Amino acid sequence: GENVEQHPSTLSVQEGDSAVIKCTYSDSASNYFPWYKQELGKGPQLIIDIRSNVGEKKDQRIAVTLNKTAKHFSLHITETQPEDSAVYFCAAKNSGYSTLTFGKGTMLLVSP
Amino acid sequence: DGGITQSPKYLFRKEGQNVTLSCEQNLNHDAMYWYRQDPGQGLRLIYYSQIVNDFQKGDIAEGYSVSREKKESFPLTVTSAQKNPTAFYLCASRAGTSVADTQYFGPGTRLTVL
Repeated sequence: GENVEQHPSTLSVQEGDSAVIKCTYSDSASNYFPWYKQELGKGPQLIIDIRSNVGEKKDQRIAVTLNKTAKHFSLHITETQPEDSAVYFCAAKNSGYSTLTFGKGTMLLVSP
Repeated sequence: DGGITQSPKYLFRKEGQNVTLSCEQNLNHDAMYWYRQDPGQGLRLIYYSQIVNDFQKGDIAEGYSVSREKKESFPLTVTSAQKNPTAFYLCASRAGTSVADTQYFGPGTRLTVL
């Protein structure tokens, strides 16, 4: 089955800096890659997603890039703010199924 | 959290007791999912259902059971056979069409077994 590796497990940045979280996946047939933000004690919220026919997608300060050849995708957050502090999860859709495999998460801490 | 509700937010049970977690959605979504979240483990799939009266095991189904009698409801029972039931449980739903892959999550239920 699909395996998703996520790095780093923790990331500390200063307010205004950029943050990058990277994920790799194993199944070359995977075609959908969402990113979720989870605040403490709450359910994950979708922040951006990308399909395999697109190399990059942006939404204001957030962007995701996908390299199908290398089987990795990354989340980029620019001009970080303290409210960006949370746990971020990447995921990949399992080919042939309606399920997702999740990375183990990255705790992002943005210091004022 | 959209139109997905989970109740209660916190649940305490004694060891050896079965407990049922509620998940309801008003999004008219076909597919529903249950995940377990432990510190440092990410989200692991317990069960999922793509249509009413049908469901499939996920990666960690042992010690759990589900039912899908109504489109809007997908309750999860944590049985006494689950050896480490204390965890944060998340329910999700998905529209179900071939291009609608996005899963939307509820607020979660934190289960503590004493």
